[in-house]
Amino acid sequence: AQTVTQSQPEMSVQEAETVTLSCTYDTSESDYYLFWYKQPPSRQMILVIRQEAYKQQNATENRFSVNFQKAAKSFSLKISDSQLGDAAMYFCAYVDYGGATNKLIFGTGTLLAVQP
Amino acid sequence: DGGITQSPKYLFRKEGQNVTLSCEQNLNHDAMYWYRQDPGQGLRLIYYSQIVNDFQKGDIAEGYSVSREKKESFPLTVTSAQKNPTAFYLCASSMWGRNQPQHFGDGTRLSIL
Repeated sequence: AQTVTQSQPEMSVQEAETVTLSCTYDTSESDYYLFWYKQPPSRQMILVIRQEAYKQQNATENRFSVNFQKAAKSFSLKISDSQLGDAAMYFCAYVDYGGATNKLIFGTGTLLAVQP
Repeated sequence: DGGITQSPKYLFRKEGQNVTLSCEQNLNHDAMYWYRQDPGQGLRLIYYSQIVNDFQKGDIAEGYSVSREKKESFPLTVTSAQKNPTAFYLCASSMWGRNQPQHFGDGTRLSIL
């Protein structure tokens, strides 16, 4: 079964600094999608970035980028120039398309604190 | 503005009572999902629906029921058979396809009285 592991329950970063959140996953599929979602205190889940496994190039969205290592099954999120508004719970997710489910399998999350 | 609306924001359930959580979307999305979130855990899928009048069980469907009579609506009923219903419930929708991101509502917090 596919699993997603986030080994850092909590992280802290100084404002304007860079932080990297780790995520590993397990799958036997060769083509799949990975996502990072942000959940601020308001509890809404917000899509941050997505990556297709077949694309060599790492995805980038403004200050957010990923380091996708397919062989290692690693999908880390880098936040550059951290801002106070980046403080949130971050979830890594894998799309399980087996059986046409299209369901997201989530990690347990990393709580990011941003220090002024 | 397009989006997903969940109501109510907070809900309390008495013992033996069924309660229904509302989820409405105006994004014209085909697929809709219900997730449960517990402290220290990621989201877990309860039910999902690809098209109107069709839905499938997710990983933790016991004690829950859904309907999909309209494309825009996917209500979730938490039945008295669900012995531990206290959680945060999130509804999501997407176009069908594995590269389509899911968009989430603001959630409903359900507690037992």
